[in-house]
Amino acid sequence: QQPVQSPQAVILREGEDAVINCSSSKALYSVHWYRQKHGEAPVFLMILLKGGEQKGHDKISASFNEKKQQSSLYLTASQLSYSGTYFCGTPGTSGGSNYKLTFGKGTLLTVNP
Amino acid sequence: EAQVTQNPRYLITVTGKKLTVTCSQNMNHEYMSWYRQDPGLGLRQIYYSMNVEVTDKGDVPEGYKVSRKEKRNFPLILESPSPNQTSLYFCASTDGTSGRNEQFFGPGTRLTVL
Repeated sequence: QQPVQSPQAVILREGEDAVINCSSSKALYSVHWYRQKHGEAPVFLMILLKGGEQKGHDKISASFNEKKQQSSLYLTASQLSYSGTYFCGTPGTSGGSNYKLTFGKGTLLTVNP
Repeated sequence: EAQVTQNPRYLITVTGKKLTVTCSQNMNHEYMSWYRQDPGLGLRQIYYSMNVEVTDKGDVPEGYKVSRKEKRNFPLILESPSPNQTSLYFCASTDGTSGRNEQFFGPGTRLTVL
């Protein structure tokens, strides 16, 4: 099943914060986050492997709650360069098929000056 | 430069005319995948490969074939394309050795089937 992302779209002014959520109806063993800028290929941001784990990438961080089967991506003090579509991806099984990812539909983030 | 290349980048074809989209990576990755991207649907995995001669279906494999005869190449074959296969296609290879499982995406192939 495809993970569900919310919101579908968000518009920010430079310097504002945003949270993007990713939830699944099935057990999650890891969550992958990617960003795709307009007209470009998706680019890896981070992978979260353990419950409660948090990671950071520049001013972008994420958390993963296994019990709640959800992950959240936090964008702090957003910059114009953060604009793009953010995807979360979840693997097929606990067997570690991190290569068979099912992605959410994406969250379009627009940062305006 | 480490990269994933796809060819062609753009293709317009007609229903039923067999086509192949090539994908090649120079990072010695074992794992490779094909995705299609459609507005409002996100990225959907078509097929993936865990090594040479080892492939498996993703979420939307119908109408597609793949082969993995060499580690670096993973072509996507549409034997009889139909208009519903008009889409943006991405090939990706995965670094499975670092623990990051980072997927490196190619630049994409925009396919239109008339």
